[in-house]
Amino acid sequence: GQNIDQPTEMTATEGAIVQINCTYQTSGFNGLFWYQQHAGEAPTFLSYNVLDGLEEKGRFSSFLSRSKGYSYLLLKELQMKDSASYLCAVLDSNYQLIWGAGTKLIIKP
Amino acid sequence: GAVVSQHPSWVICKSGTSVKIECRSLDFQATTMFWYRQFPKQSLMLMATSNEGSKATYEQGVEKDKFLINHASLTLSTLTVTSAHPEDSSFYICSARDIEGTYEQYFGPGTRLTVT
Repeated sequence: GQNIDQPTEMTATEGAIVQINCTYQTSGFNGLFWYQQHAGEAPTFLSYNVLDGLEEKGRFSSFLSRSKGYSYLLLKELQMKDSASYLCAVLDSNYQLIWGAGTKLIIKP
Repeated sequence: GAVVSQHPSWVICKSGTSVKIECRSLDFQATTMFWYRQFPKQSLMLMATSNEGSKATYEQGVEKDKFLINHASLTLSTLTVTSAHPEDSSFYICSARDIEGTYEQYFGPGTRLTVT
């Protein structure tokens, strides 16, 4: 079967750095997405990785290792507004998005 | 660019009635749109994939006769919840895939349905 694992909840301090991990086992791989979802709102796109390595975009970076079936989202200089759920999703061989359950990130002052 | 709208943003209806939710891609054409449902504190659950001009593909466990999907044009898909019941109360979100883009999905703002 297809499976995506990410921690249920994480807590971090304002101004700090946090890394949210995602491991996946899917039928085929055509890329991995990270989305941010604030409570009561729809998800918004953060990043897309299809090749191994680190993609940096401002305070957010995303890393992918296809051989390990592993990705992480790195958030730097955390702000209170970063409190949200972070969803990892993999595009499988049928180009269908397989979603993880999401990681709820709580930022404390 | 890549804006998706949903209407209505929230709706309250009585048990047994039907509700239609519209999803529009405003500045791009979408051959494929997706309908998700999300219960409180849970992740997104894909209900169906809607392709323009053809029948929708429903996920296992989703009743196609209860959740009617129509994708009549490259910019509009509708979801009709028929004979709604309180257990259908949820957050319904659509997304669209740009015909000329990557496989990124652009999400609408969601529709909160409450069935009384």
